[in-house]
Amino acid sequence: AQSVSQHNHHVILSEAASLELGCNYSYGGTVNLFWYVQYPGQHLQLLLKYFSGDPLVKGIKGFEAEFIKSKFSFNLRKPSVQWSDTAEYFCAVNAYSSASKIIFGSGTRLSIRP
Amino acid sequence: NAGVTQTPKFQVLKTGQSMTLQCAQDMNHEYMSWYRQDPGMGLRLIHYSVGAGITDQGEVPNGYNVSRSTTEDFPLRLLSAAPSQTSVYFCASSRSTTLETQYFGPGTRLLVL
Repeated sequence: AQSVSQHNHHVILSEAASLELGCNYSYGGTVNLFWYVQYPGQHLQLLLKYFSGDPLVKGIKGFEAEFIKSKFSFNLRKPSVQWSDTAEYFCAVNAYSSASKIIFGSGTRLSIRP
Repeated sequence: NAGVTQTPKFQVLKTGQSMTLQCAQDMNHEYMSWYRQDPGMGLRLIHYSVGAGITDQGEVPNGYNVSRSTTEDFPLRLLSAAPSQTSVYFCASSRSTTLETQYFGPGTRLLVL
């Protein structure tokens, strides 16, 4: 069965620091990959997604993610974080073999010190 | 558009009681799903539906039932609540398949005593 691992449970950074959140999935076939964000008190919303093509995907608010197929990874990056990026970030995968299911990782809580 | 709405926002149940969590969307989305969010475990898929009359199980379906009699509504039923079902429940929808952006509701916080 497919699964998603986010090894960083809580990350604390200062403003202007660079961010990289790890995401690994366990499925050998074709996948679609997503990053969702949940700001405090708000709904989950899509940050970015990868289906095919350029493995470097750009999303909203300056976030980007790189799909590395050989490493089964889809890490989220941002060159300079802001206090407003404080949120919980979820990686998710949808495998073609089970096209109707999206499996989420356990989430990474990001805290930004002003 | 209201988007995805969920009721109630908060509910307290006693062990053994039953209840229905409501989810509705006004975007004419075919795909709808229910997740539960627990600390350290992220979102786990309970049930999903690819259209009216069609439902299927996700990762953690035990103790929950769903039905999809209309495109708009996708209620989640707890048949006999247990403390292990204490969680935050999110409903989501998308236009056709999981390839589309999922739109999430505000969540229902459930406490089972």
